[in-house]
Amino acid sequence: QKEVEQDPGPLSVPEGAIVSLNCTYSNSAFQYFMWYRQYSRKGPELLMYTYSSGNKEDGRFTAQVDKSSKYISLFIRDSQPSDSATYLCAQSQGGSEKLVFGKGTKLTVNP
Amino acid sequence: DAMVIQNPRYQVTQFGKPVTLSCSQTLNHNVMYWYQQKSSQAPKLLFHYYDKDFNNEADTPDNFQSRRPNTSFCFLDIRSPGLGDAAMYLCATSRGTGGPDEKLFFGSGTQLSVL
Repeated sequence: QKEVEQDPGPLSVPEGAIVSLNCTYSNSAFQYFMWYRQYSRKGPELLMYTYSSGNKEDGRFTAQVDKSSKYISLFIRDSQPSDSATYLCAQSQGGSEKLVFGKGTKLTVNP
Repeated sequence: DAMVIQNPRYQVTQFGKPVTLSCSQTLNHNVMYWYQQKSSQAPKLLFHYYDKDFNNEADTPDNFQSRRPNTSFCFLDIRSPGLGDAAMYLCATSRGTGGPDEKLFFGSGTQLSVL
């Protein structure tokens, strides 16, 4: 398996800010990407997943994949203090048992 | 609510003293996983069960063992914990459809400390 690289942060923003979280991947053979959110002292929970290139939107969250640059992004609009968590990107390299996680970016949204 | 439950939330053990972590699920999922997550690190898959079929990751130390006596329960045994084994241990489940978009459901984890 090849790695998924993610800037660990931490990232601190004021409430209402637009947040951009990013990862790069090296294995272009697999095209399913996921974002998991992990609150402090909790297990990760799936936030969004995308396939191949393009955008996927769910409320205040947008996931984006750029195949040409091997870049995946998660945008959070109108960020809230409740969004404070660690965000893990992941690439599915052929099945759930081959999910490769990034190290996570810790986000704090200040009221 | 259907969920993945891990006990205990916090476990303290002594260097070299065997310890068992437990996980139960009410989702009736076929697949159960154990991940190790150290501070500011990515979760690392240790092993998984597809039903009763055990699958060990190549780099999982022999010190780690697992048991799945039935669909609902799965245990992680650490035979001789070292200081380097201190970590959050996450149990997860999935339906087992085999697709790349298969969703993992995680428990809240057990934070293991080794003294």
